[in-house]
Amino acid sequence: QSVLTQPPSVSAAPGQKVTISCSGSSSNIGNNDVSWYQQLPGTAPKLLIYDNNKRPSGIPDRFSGSKSGTSATLGITGLQTGDEADYYCGTWDSSLSGVVFGGGTKLTVL
Amino acid sequence: QVQLVESGGGLVKPGGSLRLSCAASGFTFSDYYMSWIRQTPGKGLEWISYITTSSRYTNYADSVKGRFTISRDDARTSLYLQMNSLRAEDTAVYYCARVHSMMFLGVWGQGTMVTVSS
Repeated sequence: QSVLTQPPSVSAAPGQKVTISCSGSSSNIGNNDVSWYQQLPGTAPKLLIYDNNKRPSGIPDRFSGSKSGTSATLGITGLQTGDEADYYCGTWDSSLSGVVFGGGTKLTVL
Repeated sequence: QVQLVESGGGLVKPGGSLRLSCAASGFTFSDYYMSWIRQTPGKGLEWISYITTSSRYTNYADSVKGRFTISRDDARTSLYLQMNSLRAEDTAVYYCARVHSMMFLGVWGQGTMVTVSS
């Protein structure tokens, strides 16, 4: 049981847009910045979004992040088959004094 | 380029010990907090420990507290995880990661597999 709640799976057609939600509480998302990670099949996770909505160098602007209250959202536009991956949200939890993750969302590009 | 390379994984019996290493290169290792995260096969990510700069402070997830010890050697630009009293549920891929402000994980290694089985 993960501290942050994500939908297990989402799907959309190539070229379309998809959003992935991440729900938490005041001890984590409500008072700390959210990051998002992409894990392509058979590879290690990679930072996709940090500080709620910032993209590291090299991450295309098709990927975006937002946060409101105790929830965060990852948006992906112009879907490509290469975007098929597991996506995880993460943040600091002040009560646990540790990093917490969502259970992950598997994106399928139909 | 910035790189983290884990090693030391393998098959170990329940109750046994293992020491994981993470070799860092391409950045000033001593300037960063570092962390270990694991992923059970087919499951999600679980943060297990982090260490601050100068080894000033460490913290652990409850699931490994008292059994695992994180350490670092800034001269060798390496991070370590000493794992004792291993259990079947510790079976996972273990990743090291570079920690950035607000505790996001900016760089990840490729992972090393630990299997605890008799």
